[in-house]
Amino acid sequence: NAGVTQTPKFQVLKTGQSMTLQCAQDMNHEYMSWYRQDPGMGLRLIHYSVGAGITDQGEVPNGYNVSRSTTEDFPLRLLSAAPSQTSVYFCASSSTLAGAYNEQFFGPGTRLTVL
Amino acid sequence: SQQGEEDPQALSIQEGENATMNCSYKTSINNLQWYRQNSGRGLVHLILIRSNEREKHSGRLRVTLDTSKKSSSLLITASRAADTASYFCATDKGYSTLTFGKGTMLLVSP
Repeated sequence: NAGVTQTPKFQVLKTGQSMTLQCAQDMNHEYMSWYRQDPGMGLRLIHYSVGAGITDQGEVPNGYNVSRSTTEDFPLRLLSAAPSQTSVYFCASSSTLAGAYNEQFFGPGTRLTVL
Repeated sequence: SQQGEEDPQALSIQEGENATMNCSYKTSINNLQWYRQNSGRGLVHLILIRSNEREKHSGRLRVTLDTSKKSSSLLITASRAADTASYFCATDKGYSTLTFGKGTMLLVSP
């Protein structure tokens, strides 16, 4: 299994540009999430999904869109990039086993710089 | 807002010593998890403790949870230089949505 994969690894955007960060998992996990990590900080939840066709907002959703058309993929779209969105973005997935919430598996991250 | 707060922010010890990190949180939880992050890398899950558990062990790791005080501690015994990393606690209130603290930076010197 590849686990959770993210592309690209690095990206530089100009203010106002849009782009999509890709995330895929091959573990058949129901839950997927996007987090951002700023210097010296822990991760903050952007959006999450509890299954295909179902998404919801996290702590810092403004400026981002998500969709979940398949169990495997959970892309994050930046609509109009701003310097405040310069960050490292992590995708994660997890499953419910025996009805309990379990550990999350994280991707390697995408380092985004907005000029 | 950050729910979990780790203490201390930074910890420097010698190889072979034990390292203890604490985490406090504000609201009720389903479980509390600890993660490790090496510089510039992704997060690696270390251990999960559920709200009805008080202590859990995994190799050199020992985690405790006190829901009445809304606090947890992570003990790493016999530290190694390879344990140098940032350690984060994260609380899960449901739907596997985690709220992270700012982390403890652990430096283990040979």
